[in-house]
Amino acid sequence: KQEVTQIPAALSVPEGENLVLNCSFTDSAIYNLQWFRQDPGKGLTSLLLIQSSQREQTSGRLNASLDKSSGRSTLYIAASQPGDSATYLCAATTGTASKLTFGTGTRLQVTL
Amino acid sequence: NAGVTQTPKFQVLKTGQSMTLQCAQDMNHEYMSWYRQDPGMGLRLIHYSVGAGITDQGEVPNGYNVSRSTTEDFPLRLLSAAPSQTSVYFCASSYSTGANTGELFFGEGSRLTVL
Repeated sequence: KQEVTQIPAALSVPEGENLVLNCSFTDSAIYNLQWFRQDPGKGLTSLLLIQSSQREQTSGRLNASLDKSSGRSTLYIAASQPGDSATYLCAATTGTASKLTFGTGTRLQVTL
Repeated sequence: NAGVTQTPKFQVLKTGQSMTLQCAQDMNHEYMSWYRQDPGMGLRLIHYSVGAGITDQGEVPNGYNVSRSTTEDFPLRLLSAAPSQTSVYFCASSYSTGANTGELFFGEGSRLTVL
């Protein structure tokens, strides 16, 4: 059974800092890995999707990497802003029925 | 440009009552799914569908029913509500290319409280 872990559970950084969020998974036979953002009381918004054949994906100040052999993905946020404050979740797609397994998320606060 | 629409946003039920959470998407996605989100447990898959007329169980299906009569709609029915079903429910959809579902689009969520 796939298990996805995100550490740390919470993180506070000053504005302008570059930061890395971590995601690890136990079953390396994934189809893809997605990173999501969730604001309080809202649904999840997809940020980046990395296919199993890819090593990384970039969107603006966000860069996500994938290392299947070590069961890890990282989300790099450059020049953090207060608007980046949210919970970030990763999810791995495995199995024949496209089942996503989510981590419990990292709650990020970017302070002025 | 509605995306995934869920209704209702909030609902309070008494134990034993039944209800249906509605989910509709206007992106012609084949894949639709329901998750519940509980503190400290992340999102867990309840049921999913890979197309009209096709549904299957996820990780926590007990106490819930689904059907998929059209591509657009994927309602979730609680048969006899229990306090353990107090949660936030999310509907999500994506295009489907076999086993690889692609980017997942979520609704805003339905917050359910069972007394």
